[in-house]
Amino acid sequence: DGGITQSPKYLFRKEGQNVTLSCEQNLNHDAMYWYRQDPGQGLRLIYYSQIVNDFQKGDIAEGYSVSREKKESFPLTVTSAQKNPTAFYLCASTFRDRANYGYTFGSGTRLTVV
Amino acid sequence: AQSVTQPDIHITVSEGASLELRCNYSYGATPYLFWYVQSPGQGLQLLLKYFSGDTLVQGIKGFEAEFKRSQSSFNLRKPSVHWSDAAEYFCAAEGDSGYALNFGKGTSLLVTP
Repeated sequence: DGGITQSPKYLFRKEGQNVTLSCEQNLNHDAMYWYRQDPGQGLRLIYYSQIVNDFQKGDIAEGYSVSREKKESFPLTVTSAQKNPTAFYLCASTFRDRANYGYTFGSGTRLTVV
Repeated sequence: AQSVTQPDIHITVSEGASLELRCNYSYGATPYLFWYVQSPGQGLQLLLKYFSGDTLVQGIKGFEAEFKRSQSSFNLRKPSVHWSDAAEYFCAAEGDSGYALNFGKGTSLLVTP
């Protein structure tokens, strides 16, 4: 079945470490997105990519980095510059023709700083 | 600035009662509108979406939403709530950032026996 796979489901980071969250889709979607979710804050956009080798900052990009070397993959790196990384991270994707296909979300990665 | 507002942080309803979750948007033009549901620790599941046409939209799990341009609203309704409907509900609208969705802060639904 087609969908978005996020891994790992749970991730623990020590202070000063960089960690990378994986997002893979087999839906042949063009655009991919990373959101951060905190209690009571809804989902906030970190980065997005509409085509391979191109990506743009969202509303809260500081302390994060991404790459889009393949259409299927959009990994997110949480760097040591992100001072409060503990959150639930969601990846999403869509076709350009999202009127017909909408958006698909992964099941999320919960990152905790230890 | 574009924004989506869900005025109710928490709502409690009795099982079998009707439900209405409110959503207002602030955009220059009518955006694409969505309602998603999220169970604890899970991703988001699309309930319904509105792009154009009929202002009453039917979704999955017995949910519907009504788009009202004059009120900039897109409220979600269900005639009879089931205990399994307890979850977090998010209203979203498509924004300018590569079609990324702007989300409201969510409404947490509690269903009592």
